[in-house]
Amino acid sequence: SYELTQPPSVSVSPGQTASITCSGDKLGDKYACWYQQKPGQSPVLVIYQDKKRPSGIPERFSGSNSGNTATLTISGTQAMDEADYYCQAWDNGTAVFGGGTKLTVL
Amino acid sequence: QVQLRQSGPGLVKPSQTLSLTCAVSGDSLSSNSASWNWIRQSPSRGLEWLGRTYYRSKWYNDYAVSVKGRITINPDTSKNQFSLQLNSVTPEDTAVYYCAKDRSLSWFDPWGQGTLVTVSS
Repeated sequence: SYELTQPPSVSVSPGQTASITCSGDKLGDKYACWYQQKPGQSPVLVIYQDKKRPSGIPERFSGSNSGNTATLTISGTQAMDEADYYCQAWDNGTAVFGGGTKLTVL
Repeated sequence: QVQLRQSGPGLVKPSQTLSLTCAVSGDSLSSNSASWNWIRQSPSRGLEWLGRTYYRSKWYNDYAVSVKGRITINPDTSKNQFSLQLNSVTPEDTAVYYCAKDRSLSWFDPWGQGTLVTVSS
């Protein structure tokens, strides 16, 4: 079965740039999207179709996808961005999620 | 603005059937461009897609291999809601269950509020 791999944790200082990767076989041939989840809340879409931002998502969130890796980039990271982030793609009619990355802003 | 509101019991006994409902507002369940999904989240399994129902001139269902044979997702157009039934549950089915909309093999947005279902006697 298809797998998406994320680093368990990423740390960033306030105001700096955070990058979270998601790896999967030929992931660049699929669309990737990203979700933010804060404790006790449902996941929220922050990037879809590799690099598009839903309305209401700040411009500091951006995405890319090429080769075997999709990347979520948060520029000028703020304390409110501390959360778990999950990548997701579809493979043969099945939705697949990455294991999640805990972003710590310290 | 589409909203999904979940309902159902939070405790189910082993070997019994887990049943949840997701009420949709702001969109039609019979939309030809939407799919209606169930996803669960647990510490051991992470986020796991369970299946979906969608209307393309008739109703279709797709289910994850991991739960196929135990799962049924049904639409109820009279109430604009859809349901999840998972049979023969074990403690491994303990998780937070979410419903979510997607635009046909795309992104999930929005999500329901989540329901913690515990399988225990």
